[in-house]
Amino acid sequence: DAGVIQSPRHEVTEMGQEVTLRCKPISGHDYLFWYRQTMMRGLELLIYFNNNVPIDDSGMPEDRFSAKMPNASFSTLKIQPSEPRDSAVYFCASSRPYNEQFFGPGTRLTVL
Amino acid sequence: AQKITQTQPGMFVQEKEAVTLDCTYDTSDPSYGLFWYKQPSSGEMIFLIYQGSYDQQNATEGRYSLNFQKARKSANLVISASQLGDSAMYFCAMREQGGSEKLVFGKGTKLTVNP
Repeated sequence: DAGVIQSPRHEVTEMGQEVTLRCKPISGHDYLFWYRQTMMRGLELLIYFNNNVPIDDSGMPEDRFSAKMPNASFSTLKIQPSEPRDSAVYFCASSRPYNEQFFGPGTRLTVL
Repeated sequence: AQKITQTQPGMFVQEKEAVTLDCTYDTSDPSYGLFWYKQPSSGEMIFLIYQGSYDQQNATEGRYSLNFQKARKSANLVISASQLGDSAMYFCAMREQGGSEKLVFGKGTKLTVNP
């Protein structure tokens, strides 16, 4: 079985540009999570979906961040406009209810 | 207040020895779950082991076991017979019940296994 798939694996962009991160969860998983990992703040949950519906977006830092899940096999995390402080590794994870979360390989974002 | 505390920023262990990584948690929810994840230098997050708050026995998965002390609110990870490939960051996480699937992670412990 394929695991969680994320693209791109690396993204370098300039401040002010729009960035779109993509995720394909494991088939059959009802939940999808977006995390951000930095040295300063550790691993923090940004938002999660249940059956394509956003359930908790309290971790989304500000209006520049948005996430969508148009169907059960695809989600995007968009940053517009991007800022240098958004530089981090962004993980997507998926799970079945009350089970462990399976993480994707992450997208390393660098905003210059 | 932090929900998950990992007090050891770094730990060293000799190959083939056992090591314990500490994790304490804070919750008032009677039903919760505790997880450990491994993050090698390559960056991926790998699930290791799970303990439910109502589980009667400590969880074990191969060389990994969880020393769960509910009254002390601790969920320490024990790795037996350490291998060089165990060198990585280890994260403890908690999921509180009440309908949420949200995981809260600790800051992690960097384990180095010496040959």
